[in-house]
Amino acid sequence: QSALTQPASVSGSPGQSITISCTGTSSDVGGYNYVSWYQQHPGKAPKLMIYDVSNRPSGVSNRFSGSKSGNTASLTISGLQAEDEADYYCSSYTSSSILYVFGTGTKVTVL
Amino acid sequence: EVQLVQSGAEVKKPGESLKISCKGSGYSFTSYWIGWVRQMPGKGLEWMGIIYPGDSDTRYSPSFQGQVTISADKSISTAYLQWSSLKASDTAMYYCVRHGAVTTVDYWGQGTLVTVSS
Repeated sequence: QSALTQPASVSGSPGQSITISCTGTSSDVGGYNYVSWYQQHPGKAPKLMIYDVSNRPSGVSNRFSGSKSGNTASLTISGLQAEDEADYYCSSYTSSSILYVFGTGTKVTVL
Repeated sequence: EVQLVQSGAEVKKPGESLKISCKGSGYSFTSYWIGWVRQMPGKGLEWMGIIYPGDSDTRYSPSFQGQVTISADKSISTAYLQWSSLKASDTAMYYCVRHGAVTTVDYWGQGTLVTVSS
């Protein structure tokens, strides 16, 4: 079971929208609506931003949204702010022996 | 408030054993899976395995099966990750996590940095 594939980096200017992709297979992303997204600032533990493809936990800004099409999930950050600069990881439940898999991670830079 | 509080940083030599801990509070410890995630320096997240403290059912990622042992003591709401013989390649930050459902990691501990060096 390989990690889910994400772009290494995505950048945008303040106020813009960016989208991060997360590509898996029919055994994980495509097979279940159990994709989550995490934000990790340097030196900090990751934080849950989106679960079950498109649900936001209480307290997470509505500038963050998630979606899925086939084997690819996406995280969109609208109205990009300086505080959004961080690493972002997707994850998915998987029917393979590993049970749970993370993405390769994407560094978001606010220009 | 759900909290996962992990034990402090460790510095060990290759071949030594180690057991790190994660204490859960603010929820029913026996009703949620607890997992462990590795993050090697400058690298991404790797899911290692999970345990259900209610009955100690344990699952491992094939990459970590046989390399580590996950356990839990429900009487003190604490989960553990242990190594019998550390290697330099075990140097990493280790996070304990709560699975809100087996399908989702919803809470993270603060991390335990393990450094293995001769």
